[in-house]
Parts: sequence; structure tokens; C-alpha cells
Amino acid sequence: GAGVSQSPRYKVAKRGQDVALRCDPISGHVSLFWYQQALGQGPEFLTYFQNEAQLDKSGLPSDRFFAERPEGSVSTLKIQRTQQEDSAVYLCASSSTSGGTYEQYFGPGTRLTVT
Amino acid sequence: QQQVKQSPQSLIVQKGGISIINCAYENTAFDYFPWYQQFPGKGPALLIAIRPDVSEKKEGRFTISFNKSAKQFSLHIMDSQPGDSATYFCAASNPYSGAGSYQLTFGKGTKLSVIP
Repeated sequence: GAGVSQSPRYKVAKRGQDVALRCDPISGHVSLFWYQQALGQGPEFLTYFQNEAQLDKSGLPSDRFFAERPEGSVSTLKIQRTQQEDSAVYLCASSSTSGGTYEQYFGPGTRLTVT
Repeated sequence: QQQVKQSPQSLIVQKGGISIINCAYENTAFDYFPWYQQFPGKGPALLIAIRPDVSEKKEGRFTISFNKSAKQFSLHIMDSQPGDSATYFCAASNPYSGAGSYQLTFGKGTKLSVIP
């Protein structure tokens, strides 16, 4: 079956612009995660959804970052008034969390460059 | 506070050799420890995972060794091949406890190069 997909794959934004990044999880996966990966670093947790409920947003770096998953499937990560420090790869992962399994499957990521 | 420390930062191994990557964690509540492989321009791909109730898990050429008392775990890649050249990340979470957290905490990664 299809894996996690993300769009766009690459985004260049001028400082101060708003961006929206989309994630299509694996069909039927209840849990969805967003991570930020800086160059040469490991992914860092941003936020977590179970169905449409955002259960943990402790990793969002500022109030400029906002995520939603209104129908419990597709999710959008929005960054307002982008700054240069927002340049990173944004990864989405999904997980079924059923039957005691918690494997997270990652999409290819969206590389955001803020100029 | 870095909760998962990974070493080495980079590793060069001859084809056919054994690659060993180590991780140490601080949070004793962690109860799920996966390893991910990432190629340039791709997302991390799950390789193998272990829970702390076992000391070793093997899948093909990949083995996780786990030492609960030392709060350490390692990935061994046997018969390393040039196609294994990638960045490897260890991670940890605690989804199995009652009020567990599903988020993964990652190490900083190890860039493995397998030379012919």
C-alpha cells in the first residue's frame, strides 16, 4: 500500500511569508506526528494527533507554528511569518497504535528554505 | 537536555565488516527503542526495534543489543555492504506505560560509510 506522502517536497519562502505543509498518512493510521529535522541532526518532535485531536503540541517552537488534522486523516503544518531559523526538513509520521504496535512510518519530508 | 546520546558521529567500515553504533538514554521510563536508517533526501525508515524485556533482537544482518541496567543499546550491522551507507538514528519513547508518550526522542545520528 501507499506510504506517508508529503507535499510540497521543497518550499522556498521569503522571510515573513506564511507556509503550509501537507501530510497524507497511511490509510487507517490513527496517530500522526510532525517532526523538524535540522541539517545534520536527528528529528525533533513538534506535535502529535490521535485522530483529529491534537494531544501534544509541546514541541512547537513558537506560536507561529500551528498544526491541524480536522477530519482525522490529512494534516497541515502551518508556519506564520517564517524566519531563517525555521529552515529545516519537516517530517510527518503515522502509526496505527493498534494491537500494541507503535511503529512510526515517516514520509519523505518537506525541505523548507527561508531566504 | 539530550535524552538520547549516540556515538560515534561517523563511522567508516570495510565491506564485510561489522558496524557498531551505540546509544545511551537517561529517561528510565522509555520502553521502546527503534533504530532508523535515512538516505539523503529520504525520510527515516524503521529498521528494527526492541523493548527492554529482552536483551537482544536480530533481524537478518541487523541486531540490537540492550543493556537495561546500563541504560544503553546498540545496533550491530553484520557483513556490512556499500548499500548500507546511510545515516542511522537511535530513538526512544514510552508508549507502553499507562500515561505513556508516543513521541520519539532521537539521537543525533551516525553517518556510516561502507567502503569496498
